[in-house]
Amino acid sequence: AQSVTQLDSQVPVFEEAPVELRCNYSSSVSVYLFWYVQYPNQGLQLLLKYLSGSTLVKGINGFEAEFNKSQTSFHLRKPSVHISDTAEYFCAVSEWGSQGNLIFGKGTKLSVKP
Amino acid sequence: DGGITQSPKYLFRKEGQNVTLSCEQNLNHDAMYWYRQDPGQGLRLIYYSQIVNDFQKGDIAEGYSVSREKKESFPLTVTSAQKNPTAFYLCASSITGVEETQYFGPGTRLLVL
Repeated sequence: AQSVTQLDSQVPVFEEAPVELRCNYSSSVSVYLFWYVQYPNQGLQLLLKYLSGSTLVKGINGFEAEFNKSQTSFHLRKPSVHISDTAEYFCAVSEWGSQGNLIFGKGTKLSVKP
Repeated sequence: DGGITQSPKYLFRKEGQNVTLSCEQNLNHDAMYWYRQDPGQGLRLIYYSQIVNDFQKGDIAEGYSVSREKKESFPLTVTSAQKNPTAFYLCASSITGVEETQYFGPGTRLLVL
């Protein structure tokens, strides 16, 4: 069965520092990969997704992620974070041939400090 | 503006009471979803619907029920059989397809009195 593991539940970082949020998945078939962001007491918003092609995917707000098939990873990165990036970030997968349901990781809370 | 609305923002349930959470979308999406979010648990799928008048159970359907009588509406009822209903409930919709982005509403927080 497919599963998603976000290795860090909380990541504190100073403003303007780089950040990497880690995501690993397991699946017996090919997958599509997503990163969503959730600001406090709000719904989720798509940051970026990997469907096919180039393994480096660029998203909104300066975020990017790299798909690594051999390591079954899809880590999210930003070279310089802002206070406004403080939020919870969710990695999710859907499997080829499925009904399109997303399996979410448990989330990583990014806290950007001045 | 196109989007998803959920109401109410906060909902209080008494013991033994059924409550209904509203979800409406004007994105013309065929697929709609209900998720439950608990702290540190991520999002778990309760029910989903790929088309009007059809829906399927997700991973944690026990104690919940849904209907899909209209394309734009997918209400969720939390029944008295759900013994631990306190959570943040999120509704989402998408174009049908495994690669499609899901668009989320602002959520309803359910609390037990």
